Amino acid sequence: SQKIEQNSEALNIQEGKTATLTCNYTNYSPAYLQWYRQDPGRGPVFLLLIRENEKEKRKERLKVTFDTTLKQSLFHITASQPADSATYLCALDSFSGGYNKLIFGAGTRLAVHP
Amino acid sequence: GAGVSQSPRYKVTKRGQDVALRCDPISGHVSLYWYRQALGQGPEFLTYFNYEAQQDKSGLPNDRFSAERPEGSISTLTIQRTEQRDSAMYRCASSLEGALEETQYFGPGTRLLVL
Repeated sequence: SQKIEQNSEALNIQEGKTATLTCNYTNYSPAYLQWYRQDPGRGPVFLLLIRENEKEKRKERLKVTFDTTLKQSLFHITASQPADSATYLCALDSFSGGYNKLIFGAGTRLAVHP
Repeated sequence: GAGVSQSPRYKVTKRGQDVALRCDPISGHVSLYWYRQALGQGPEFLTYFNYEAQQDKSGLPNDRFSAERPEGSISTLTIQRTEQRDSAMYRCASSLEGALEETQYFGPGTRLLVL
């Protein structure tokens, strides 16, 4: 069955550094992948989508890569700020047959320290 | 405009009772999803509606769980004869058309605790 793995341990980094989060998947070839941010007590919020034929996508300080050979996506936050502290979830499409049915990873908690 | 809303925000119930969780999607959004999220985990798909039609209920754990969206707007997730293992955060999300790649907008969730 489809399996998604994200770093289970929290990632602690210093303000100003680049945070890199990993999303690995097995038994699967998704057409696209989405990244969401989730703050405590809140629902996930969409950040970026990357398609299988795209190597890299950027949005302001965010960068996502998608390596279909390695079955991996990397999510980067450059010049990180304490306000970036949150849990970041990757989600893959699951070939629903026409609608955006997503399979979510467990998420990685990021803590950016001043 | 207003985002997705859910009620109640918290629900404590005794084992064996039925509960109904409500989701009010963003106005005009055709698609509605229900998820269950355990602590420290990502959302787990339960069911999907396109307008009032329940097109996918493959994620519902068993027949104690049901959902409806009779007028294609507000949806209700019902859990009958609740069990302690049903305790979790229940979230709904909506999207404009349900198309592939479309952004899902999540509600704040209902935290269910079954004693």
